[in-house]
Amino acid sequence: QLVESGGGLVQPGGSLRLSCAASGFTFSRYWMNWVRQAPGKGLEWVAKIKEDGNEKYYVDSVKGRFTISRDNAKNSLYLQMSSLRAEDTAVYYCARLIYRSTWNWFDPWGQGTLVTVSS
Amino acid sequence: DIQMTQSPSSLSASVGDRVTITCRASQDISSYLNWYHQKAGKAPNLLIYAASSLQSGVPSRFSGSGSGTDFTLTISSLQPEDFATYYCQQSYSNPLTFGGGTKVEIK
Repeated sequence: QLVESGGGLVQPGGSLRLSCAASGFTFSRYWMNWVRQAPGKGLEWVAKIKEDGNEKYYVDSVKGRFTISRDNAKNSLYLQMSSLRAEDTAVYYCARLIYRSTWNWFDPWGQGTLVTVSS
Repeated sequence: DIQMTQSPSSLSASVGDRVTITCRASQDISSYLNWYHQKAGKAPNLLIYAASSLQSGVPSRFSGSGSGTDFTLTISSLQPEDFATYYCQQSYSNPLTFGGGTKVEIK
């Protein structure tokens, strides 16, 4: 199970930290991701982090502004967001990445937390 | 970046209908293609992974096919609980990208 928290209303240029609490599986054995969905729009992958936290990847639109991290001792995933823009307004989902050989997919997903960037 | 294009963007169908949704990748992604569905206000759920493998617990009326650049999700007999939005997603390379979605509505 994945449970996100930390969303809310923030002004443009502000910062916010999202958290995702994992349970029911060995968190430290999986890549983890953040995926977002703007209101009424489709899904956009945001970032992913390796099991040990030593590899991180981001979509270009958030590079330099967002930082993904994890604490395996706390079974938690984080997304530190700064220099927020109106276009970052979305529901943010955390999702586990399942690997089987070279194939991979998102499963499960959390219920999401809404981030609204507005003055 | 690999672009994923779904068609149609929406469709109306009746319970019992056979429904087909297509997804096209902007380059060859072999079988690195997944399908999800999402009901209004809920998180996405995995249906098909690796183009044609049915996720555990997903009804057998769902099937996926294709490789390279062209993929298909088929629902053999649409049920009331299948009215949702469907997304394809490529896992071939970063950034991981999704199609724009196909909304399946009640006729």
